[in-house]
Amino acid sequence: DGGITQSPKYLFRKEGQNVTLSCEQNLNHDAMYWYRQDPGQGLRLIYYSQIVNDFQKGDIAEGYSVSREKKESFPLTVTSAQKNPTAFYLCASSMSRDRDGGYTFGSGTRLTVV
Amino acid sequence: AQRVTQPEKLLSVFKGAPVELKCNYSYSGSPELFWYVQYSRQRLQLLLRHISRESIKGFTADLNKGETSFHLKKPFAQEEDSAMYYCALYTGGFKTIFGAGTRLFVKA
Repeated sequence: DGGITQSPKYLFRKEGQNVTLSCEQNLNHDAMYWYRQDPGQGLRLIYYSQIVNDFQKGDIAEGYSVSREKKESFPLTVTSAQKNPTAFYLCASSMSRDRDGGYTFGSGTRLTVV
Repeated sequence: AQRVTQPEKLLSVFKGAPVELKCNYSYSGSPELFWYVQYSRQRLQLLLRHISRESIKGFTADLNKGETSFHLKKPFAQEEDSAMYYCALYTGGFKTIFGAGTRLFVKA
C-alpha cells in the first residue's frame, strides 16, 4: 500500500530540546516537502527537496533543519532555536516531473512544547 | 505578491443546497490551482486541479483569470462534504502556496 508515513503522531518536547520528525514515502516520488499548519494560517512551507542530497529553505525555515540522504526519507529536526514550535507538521511528496498531479500528504505530527 | 485568499473561515449550508467556497489568488504568471480537502480524522488529499477540468464528488472549479478566482462549487451539498477545504497555487520551483482554509459544515 503506497503512501507517506509520518511518525510519531504526537510528540512532546521540553524547551531547549531538539526533536526529529520522521517522514517516509514509498511512492517513488522525487520531491518531498515539510509544511507547518497553524489554525487560521493554512499551510506554510518549511523546507523542500527536489532530489536526494539537495534541499531548499521555504518561507519559514528558521529554527528547522532537514536532510535528504535517501529518496524515501525526509526527516525534519525542530531545533531549540525555533521560537514557537508547537504546531501540526505535515510532510508531502510529489513527482518532480508531474507537479500538476498535486501533492500526497502524510497524516501529520502534532508537536507540543511542554 | 503571491497570495491565496479564502475569505470565509466557516461556511454552513443545509443539505441539498448549493455551495460555493471562494478562492482568490494573486500571481503574475500563469496560475496552476488546486483544491485540497481534509475530512475529519483523515489526511489532507487532493480534490481537483484546474488543469484537468474535472468534476470530483460533484465538485467543480473554474479558473477565472479576469477575477483571479478559482471558486469551488457543488450544486447540491451532502452531509459527507463537511470538511476543511484548502485552495492552493503552484508558483513554480516546487513551491505551492496554500490558503488559510474554509471549514464547510453541511447541516441535515
